Amino acid sequence: DIVMTQSPVSLPVTPGEPASISCRSSQSLLHSNGDNYLDWYLQKPGRSPQLLIYLASNRASGVPDRFSGSGSGTDFTLKISRVEAEDVGVYYCMQTLQTPYSFGQGTKLEIK
Amino acid sequence: QVQLVQSGAEVKKPGASVKVSCKASGYTFSGYYIHWVRQARGQGLKWMGWINPNSGGTIYSETFQGRVTMTRDTSITTAYMELRRLRSDDTAVYYCVREWAAGYGLDVWGQGTTVTVSS
Repeated sequence: DIVMTQSPVSLPVTPGEPASISCRSSQSLLHSNGDNYLDWYLQKPGRSPQLLIYLASNRASGVPDRFSGSGSGTDFTLKISRVEAEDVGVYYCMQTLQTPYSFGQGTKLEIK
Repeated sequence: QVQLVQSGAEVKKPGASVKVSCKASGYTFSGYYIHWVRQARGQGLKWMGWINPNSGGTIYSETFQGRVTMTRDTSITTAYMELRRLRSDDTAVYYCVREWAAGYGLDVWGQGTTVTVSS
């Protein structure tokens, strides 16, 4: 099974400042078709998770362009160019290259 | 609008079974996989498996193999997840989620169903 590891566990950020979350997989997520099967989700407090990024770098519908995803193989990054108060919550990466799909342990973003 | 609406909270005793439903609307039910993901209180997300509503085919995480069954009723665009031989550590919120195709993200989530297992 593929193990996903995120860092940091907790991320305090000042509004307007950038933020970055790292996600590493125990195996390459690069498919033979050239895509990396890595998603990013945000779970706001008391809510269901929501899709932010799929295939490592594609923003889901309605996601603000301050969110961006990058990386390939085993190393991936989610960046927020300017954090806003509404961005608080727990961010998860998830691999969908092979079953069982697996999530990282989460990164809690909080406002300073 | 596109939505997945799940059944209400359940309280079960250890050893019992629970069946959670997930009603899809606003899109072509057979065109999207339905995944089930659970989250224990204060914990992270755990993938349980998926069902292809078109064929009825399923894939389950080995963690739940033998205890979980995912089914669907296309006539009422509803997916179901049954978990048997419940234990206290099955206490969690269970989400159904749709996915168009592998890699394109779990883009619509149900509101979650809380299952509490307690004697």
